[in-house]
Amino acid sequence: QKEVEQNSGPLSVPEGAIASLNCTYSDRGSQSFFWYRQYSGKSPELIMSIYSNGDKEDGRFTAQLNKASQYVSLLIRDSQPSDSATYLCAVNRDDKIIFGKGTRLHILP
Amino acid sequence: GAGVSQSPSNKVTEKGKDVELRCDPISGHTALYWYRQSLGQGLEFLIYFQGNSAPDKSGLPSDRFSAERTGGSVSTLTIQRTQQEDSAVYLCASSRTGALGTGELFFGEGSRLTVL
Repeated sequence: QKEVEQNSGPLSVPEGAIASLNCTYSDRGSQSFFWYRQYSGKSPELIMSIYSNGDKEDGRFTAQLNKASQYVSLLIRDSQPSDSATYLCAVNRDDKIIFGKGTRLHILP
Repeated sequence: GAGVSQSPSNKVTEKGKDVELRCDPISGHTALYWYRQSLGQGLEFLIYFQGNSAPDKSGLPSDRFSAERTGGSVSTLTIQRTQQEDSAVYLCASSRTGALGTGELFFGEGSRLTVL
C-alpha cells in the first residue's frame, strides 16, 4: 500500500459546484495533514493544514480528517476556473512530510 | 530575496556526467527538504535536513545521489553518473519547523534536469 494515495483524476467539476478531493494514508502515527495546490509549471503552495478529527474551514475550502478511517478530504465550494490545478495531499511520517501523487482538478466554465 | 532560491533553473547534461543542484532556503528555516517530481507525477521525497540532526536520507533512490547542508543553510544535491531516468524537476523546500509544527513548506522554483 502506498503511503499517501490519491485518485490521479482528472476530476472535472462545473463552475460554481463543489469539488471533492480525497486522500488516504497508511501510517496510523501520522498527526499532521496538508493540502497543497500546484498550478501547471509552478511549485506547490500550501492551502490547508489540519491536525484534529473533524472539519476545518477557510473561505471556500474545507478540510476534513478522519483518523480512524485514515482519510483526509478537501472540499472546494463555488469552484472557480482559477481552482483548476493539481491538489497534493501530504502527511507527516515522523518529522518529515510525504506527498501523494496528486489529483488533477479541472473546473469547467 | 525572501524566498527559497534554487540554481540552476535548468540543466542539460549527458548521461554519465555528475551534476550539482543548489538550494538556498529562507533565512531562519531549520528544516530543508529535497523532492523529485517527474513529468505528471507527485513529489517523491529524497532527503530531509532538520537543524543539526543527522539527515534523513531514506528517500535517496541510489548511492549515486547525495546531499549536504553546510552551516545549517545552503544545501547541495549531487547526482553522480547521471542516467536518463534521473531527468525530473528537483524541488527544494524549507520550513520554519518540522512536520509536527506548522509544517508549511515553502518551495523554490525547482531545477529541471534533463539527461541526454
